[in-house]
Amino acid sequence: KAGVTQTPRYLIKTRGQQVTLSCSPISGHRSVSWYQQTPGQGLQFLFEYFSETQRNKGNFPGRFSGRQFSNSRSEMNVSTLELGDSALYLCASSLGGFTGELFFGEGSRLTVL
Amino acid sequence: AQRVTQPEKLLSVFKGAPVELKCNYSYSGSPELFWYVQYSRQRLQLLLRHISRESIKGFTADLNKGETSFHLKKPFAQEEDSAMYYCALSGDSSYKLIFGSGTRLLVRP
Repeated sequence: KAGVTQTPRYLIKTRGQQVTLSCSPISGHRSVSWYQQTPGQGLQFLFEYFSETQRNKGNFPGRFSGRQFSNSRSEMNVSTLELGDSALYLCASSLGGFTGELFFGEGSRLTVL
Repeated sequence: AQRVTQPEKLLSVFKGAPVELKCNYSYSGSPELFWYVQYSRQRLQLLLRHISRESIKGFTADLNKGETSFHLKKPFAQEEDSAMYYCALSGDSSYKLIFGSGTRLLVRP
């Protein structure tokens, strides 16, 4: 069974631009979560989607948004990029009921210049 | 506020020595605690969860509500245990995990 796939793996943007990251969950998984990982703040929860509905959102500004499609694939968008948005963005999927077992992707590393 | 604290950034032990990775949490309700591990060049993955009360790869962790701790232990460390370990907390069916800052375990031969 293929794991969680994130694209792109690496990207470089400049301040003020926007970025869209994509996540394909494990087949059959209907929940997708997003986390931001930085050296200073560690792993921080961004949001979680299930059946195209956001069930929870972390403490991030409105520039961070996401969505989930009917095939469970998910995208997250960051608008008006700031230097501090440079991070590894991790996507994780699970079946749906929360057991705490998340299957993580390799991440998308965003560098903002 | 919900918080997970892992006081050690790096823990270095010799092969065969006991290992204890510390995790303390702050949560007002009934928490669910987990340990995640990331081996070199691999994805972050679940190691164990307190509710299962299981031993995975020789590791165990007991939830101590009185001390609000969930320390990860292994009696005899192996070189292949070298990895980054994250303690995580969830509660109130929030569909999210709150991670600690992680501890890098280095097991030397």
